[in-house]
Amino acid sequence: GAVVSQHPSRVICKSGTSVKIECRSLDFQATTMFWYRQFPKQSLMLMATSNEGSKATYEQGVEKDKFLINHASLTLSTLTVTSAHPEDSSFYICSAPANSGPEAFFGQGTRLTVV
Amino acid sequence: GNSVTQMEGPVTLSEEAFLTINCTYTATGYPSLFWYVQYPGEGLQLLLKATKADDKGSNKGFEATYRKETTSFHLEKGSVQVSDSAVYFCALLSSGGYQKVTFGIGTKLQVIP
Repeated sequence: GAVVSQHPSRVICKSGTSVKIECRSLDFQATTMFWYRQFPKQSLMLMATSNEGSKATYEQGVEKDKFLINHASLTLSTLTVTSAHPEDSSFYICSAPANSGPEAFFGQGTRLTVV
Repeated sequence: GNSVTQMEGPVTLSEEAFLTINCTYTATGYPSLFWYVQYPGEGLQLLLKATKADDKGSNKGFEATYRKETTSFHLEKGSVQVSDSAVYFCALLSSGGYQKVTFGIGTKLQVIP
């Protein structure tokens, strides 16, 4: 199947700093990618839809100025957590839909810890 | 909107026991259904899928049948192993062009020797 690579897998940052997470589709093009967040012992919740060449679409309750999404090419979407705080500590995961057929491919996820 | 209801865990089983994790869904149209597995410290992996009613997805001894009449997609395995310990997510993908995945809450499975 297709491969989505997400980097870094783990990151620890200080409160107030920004962290960038990359999501790449390695062997296919993705005009759309999705970013999810998983709180401890909870399910994955969609944060935003990343659209190549246009603005991201954010789900209700997600701060677009805090979670900056850029989808500058057909194979790369980035999520930047700006001015991170401990409550932003979570597991973030991206996905890209298959170009044909109903399926989604997921990255490995990023465990963010803000101290 | 779409939703997935999944039994909450944790589920603790002895090795070689039979596993069932229940999953029901609400969706418009004809969604595709999935089970994803998340091993400790790792991302999501697709375990199996079914794209239409009465389809059976299977992989690594796990099975799930798409039951439209009961809107269910229960995960089963006849004999679990310690290596099956993980979190299992039931999910659906809308039949429209907007391919956003909706997840259940996830069920943690712990298999003890």
